[in-house]
Amino acid sequence: EAQVTQNPRYLITVTGKKLTVTCSQNMNHEYMSWYRQDPGLGLRQIYYSMNVEVTDKGDVPEGYKVSRKEKRNFPLILESPSPNQTSLYFCASSPRTGWPYGYTFGSGTRLTVV
Amino acid sequence: GQQLNQSPQSMFIQEGEDVSMNCTSSSIFNTWLWYKQDPGEGPVLLIALYKAGELTSNGRLTAQFGITRKDSFLNISASIPSDVGIYFCAGQNYGGSQGNLIFGKGTKLSVKP
Repeated sequence: EAQVTQNPRYLITVTGKKLTVTCSQNMNHEYMSWYRQDPGLGLRQIYYSMNVEVTDKGDVPEGYKVSRKEKRNFPLILESPSPNQTSLYFCASSPRTGWPYGYTFGSGTRLTVV
Repeated sequence: GQQLNQSPQSMFIQEGEDVSMNCTSSSIFNTWLWYKQDPGEGPVLLIALYKAGELTSNGRLTAQFGITRKDSFLNISASIPSDVGIYFCAGQNYGGSQGNLIFGKGTKLSVKP
């Protein structure tokens, strides 16, 4: 089944403890992206990647890192999480940048930083 | 960055009623997309629009690409309880990083049986 898989689905952590949220897609998509969703603010883009080793900042990149060493994986790294990074995170992918038929989203990772 | 204004922010309706929501932008898009997010899940594409003035239906859903290319609306007819969720509009331009989707803030729909 074609899908975007995120892990974990739920995570509670403490301030300052480094964490990684994984994202993997099995559709050979070039484009991948991370969003955070907060009440009243909708979906805001954190980082995106147009292909292997090509990443760029979205609208809210502060406090996050990403890497794209392989086409299928696009992990989101929080080096020193803070409570304001408590949010619902989504990974998405599409065959290529500018693909006009929309993205495929993962099921989300709900992160709580205490 | 670019922003989309989506309204209303939330709606509480009775089962069987029709629903209308819209999205406006200060800039032009080549593509308008409408997504639905069920509780606890990621957004799923409902309808995609590619031409100014285009009207497209998907079952009880109808969406239109505004003639100015700066707006779009989504109608749901005869709502049912499973229509509950958050509906997002998204605009897209082609080419380079402009291919990123810009999302509205969402319309939260609640349906009373």
